[in-house]
Amino acid sequence: SAVISQKPSRDICQRGTSLTIQCQVDSQVTMMFWYRQQPGQSLTLIATANQGSEATYESGFVIDKFPISRPNLTFSTLTVSNMSPEDSSIYLCSVVASGRVTDTQYFGPGTRLTVL
Amino acid sequence: AQKITQTQPGMFVQEKEAVTLDCTYDTSDQSYGLFWYKQPSSGEMIFLIYQGSYDEQNATEGRYSLNFQKARKSANLVISASQLGDSAMYFCAMREGNQFYFGTGTSLTVIP
Repeated sequence: SAVISQKPSRDICQRGTSLTIQCQVDSQVTMMFWYRQQPGQSLTLIATANQGSEATYESGFVIDKFPISRPNLTFSTLTVSNMSPEDSSIYLCSVVASGRVTDTQYFGPGTRLTVL
Repeated sequence: AQKITQTQPGMFVQEKEAVTLDCTYDTSDQSYGLFWYKQPSSGEMIFLIYQGSYDEQNATEGRYSLNFQKARKSANLVISASQLGDSAMYFCAMREGNQFYFGTGTSLTVIP
């Protein structure tokens, strides 16, 4: 398995500002993802964080709004830029790591963001 | 078509009873994996159980078991002897290659 930490765990931000979320994994992993979960909704994949190259974004998400860094195999950041109340969500970092039976996707504890 | 379908937005179960949460999936791949996650109100996603498409036995992990019916493309989660701490959202997910797909979730409430 993998142990994942995220900082901050929660934040309340003003409209128009930016917030950077950090994700740290206790082991080297190839696959790392960022998800958004809006209130009462399922998970939506924002992007795959690629080590040493630009992130791969899903439809509807762009680098200018959600820049991602992945400087090594244990760390990544997601920035939510020029925030609006619609960005209020839980942001989850996840990795694929060896589980007891198979490669499994493990999640960090999430960052609960409220934009006023 | 939805890759993962969870048709029960909300479920209630009496404490100590068993409950089944439904999940159907859509894939044309022969090799895939099915996962269940629990999300308490704290927001973290907790991995519960995995079933591989080639596994002939249903997966079990403690009080969790996965009722895998391949021909019906269903992977229902069974929680036995429900506890108050089982109250949470439950998400079914499927892995096809390097792609993961999540259902819309089922909210489970355990009644004392």
